[in-house]
Amino acid sequence: AQRVTQPEKLLSVFKGAPVELKCNYSYSGSPELFWYVQYSRQRLQLLLRHISRESIKGFTADLNKGETSFHLKKPFAQEEDSAMYYCALKAQGAQKLVFGQGTRLTINP
Amino acid sequence: GAVVSQHPSWVICKSGTSVKIECRSLDFQATTMFWYRQFPKQSLMLMATSNEGSKATYEQGVEKDKFLINHASLTLSTLTVTSAHPEDSSFYICSARDHRRGQETQYFGPGTRLLVL
Repeated sequence: AQRVTQPEKLLSVFKGAPVELKCNYSYSGSPELFWYVQYSRQRLQLLLRHISRESIKGFTADLNKGETSFHLKKPFAQEEDSAMYYCALKAQGAQKLVFGQGTRLTINP
Repeated sequence: GAVVSQHPSWVICKSGTSVKIECRSLDFQATTMFWYRQFPKQSLMLMATSNEGSKATYEQGVEKDKFLINHASLTLSTLTVTSAHPEDSSFYICSARDHRRGQETQYFGPGTRLLVL
């Protein structure tokens, strides 16, 4: 079975500081990995996916198959980045997403 | 982007009654929709995968007879909580799978808060 682990429930950094939200997964096949974000009182929305290799709102994430990680990074945090972040995995050929427990990111002014 | 709606956004009901929650994909057709449950300060727990025109696939531990799912059209899936009890009080979220643009993306609804008295 697939599993996604986000070791930090809460993460607090100051505005302008770098931020890294950790995500580790266990899956023997070739996964698709995603980061979803939920801003206060809003619905869950896709932030980025590993296959696109894009930067969204200054965030990037690289799939490291050796370490089975997909950490989310941003060099300079902004106050509007405060939100709940979920890492998710989709197994090869599967329909469903497996979510991590989420990390609440707070950016202090 | 694609839009998924849920109705109602919140509902209060008496113990023993049934409650129906609707999930609609507004500007795309979704052959597959998903139903999640989220407890306070916890992650999303997948309840079932709903496929248009066929029976839903339930996750282990989710009672099929308690949480009835119907996906009768390409834009609508419903979740009915039958004989609701206070422990069914939760935040229920649906998502719909969009295959357009060559990439598969799950779009989420805003959620429905259920309170069973």
